[in-house]
Amino acid sequence: GAGVSQSPSNKVTEKGKDVELRCDPISGHTALYWYRQSLGQGLEFLIYFQGNSAPDKSGLPSDRFSAERTGGSVSTLTIQRTQQEDSAVYLCASSASGGRETQYFGPGTRLLVL
Amino acid sequence: DAKTTQPPSMDCAEGRAANLPCNHSTISGNEYVYWYRQIHSQGPQYIIHGLKNNETNEMASLIITEDRKSSTLILPHATLRDTAVYYCIVRVARSGGSNYKLTFGKGTLLTVNP
Repeated sequence: GAGVSQSPSNKVTEKGKDVELRCDPISGHTALYWYRQSLGQGLEFLIYFQGNSAPDKSGLPSDRFSAERTGGSVSTLTIQRTQQEDSAVYLCASSASGGRETQYFGPGTRLLVL
Repeated sequence: DAKTTQPPSMDCAEGRAANLPCNHSTISGNEYVYWYRQIHSQGPQYIIHGLKNNETNEMASLIITEDRKSSTLILPHATLRDTAVYYCIVRVARSGGSNYKLTFGKGTLLTVNP
C-alpha cells in the first residue's frame, strides 16, 4: 500500500484484558514510531524503532506497554491488563530513516477500555 | 524545538484561498517549518515543509518570511474536505538527538464553509 496502515481501526475491550495493535509502515521506511493521542490532547510519544531495534522506549507509560518490530517492517504494540486511562487513539508513523525525516502517520487505532 | 503560535480558529469560503499563519519568532537557523493537518477522527496528515525558501506541492504552498520568524500555509482553493485542525511545528534539521519526537500545539481549526 501507499501509506501507513493500522489495525484494528477500533477496539473495545474490558478492563484487565490484553490488546494488540498492529502497524504496517510505508514500504522501505526504516524508522517507525508509536504515539498516543487522548481526546482533545496533543501527541504523546511512546516508542521509536530503527529497523527492529528500539533505541528510545522512553515514552512507554508503564511496564504494561511493550512493542516489537519484526523483519524491519510490521510493528505490534501490546498493552497488558488494560486500564480505563489507556483509552486513546494510538497512532503509528514511519519515516524513510530516523531523525529529521518526514513522518507519515497511519489512521490510528481507537481503543476504548470499559 | 522553537515554539509556534497559531490562531485557534479560522473560517474560509469554499473555493477561496485559505491562508493560515504561524509565528515562530524563536526559530533557529537549523530548524525546518512543518505543517500537518488532522481531519476529525483521522491520523495526522503531512502537508509540506520548508527551511527558508517558499515551497509548493500538490496540496499547498508554504511562504516563509525572509527573517523566518513567521510563515503562511496557503490552500489555494479550499474545499469542504479541507476542514481540519492545522498544525505548524518546527523541527531541527540535523540528525541525532531526539528530534524525531513530534509534538503538536493546539493548531488552527480551519472551517471551510459552503
